[in-house]
Amino acid sequence: QVQLKESGPGLVQPSQTLSLTCTVSGFSLTSYHVHWVRQPPGKGLEWMGVMWSDGDTSYNSALKSRLSISRDTSKSQVFLKMSSLQTEDTATYYCSIPTRDYWGQGVMVTVSS
Amino acid sequence: DIQMTQSPSSLPASLGDRVTITCRASQDIGNYLRWFQQKPGKSPRLMIYGATNLAAGVPSRFSGSRSGSDYSLTISSLESEDMADYYCLQSKESPLTFGSGTKLEIK
Repeated sequence: QVQLKESGPGLVQPSQTLSLTCTVSGFSLTSYHVHWVRQPPGKGLEWMGVMWSDGDTSYNSALKSRLSISRDTSKSQVFLKMSSLQTEDTATYYCSIPTRDYWGQGVMVTVSS
Repeated sequence: DIQMTQSPSSLPASLGDRVTITCRASQDIGNYLRWFQQKPGKSPRLMIYGATNLAAGVPSRFSGSRSGSDYSLTISSLESEDMADYYCLQSKESPLTFGSGTKLEIK
């Protein structure tokens, strides 16, 4: 069955770069679009960006300058990199296929020194 | 970018009540509107897709509707398990955008 799982560091220092990995199973990355969504504690969902099935990417306008999404189809992995982290980037980060209701469990990332 | 204005932000209601949550799109999104339910500590769950279609396994007391640029999620008779946060999502064009969320709570 379709599964997505996020992994990455739980703690990142301010001004550093966040690197997250979404490992998928049960489907090919060339078949589905994989999105990144985040949620600060006690706040709403924010769409961050997407790796389209054709390998193209789209980003949230507010994050575009700091955000990069890539993939390795041979490893069934999608990567998120976001630079210049600040405390307001503290959030649970999800990879998902929201149009199909497939979600990872989320990974909590805290930005703190 | 398309803005989704969701209201209300908080909705106190009693069990058995009929409740409605609304999202207004800043541009035409057709029926590219989904509703998600999220409970504390859990990933979101799809409730409605295509503005009006019930997702698999969702109770029939949930329904979605559209009037122009206004999209609504209605629960016909509130049950305790429905207490959660609800979000709309437009997927008509990138960047996708969520509504700001509605917290449904017991009055």
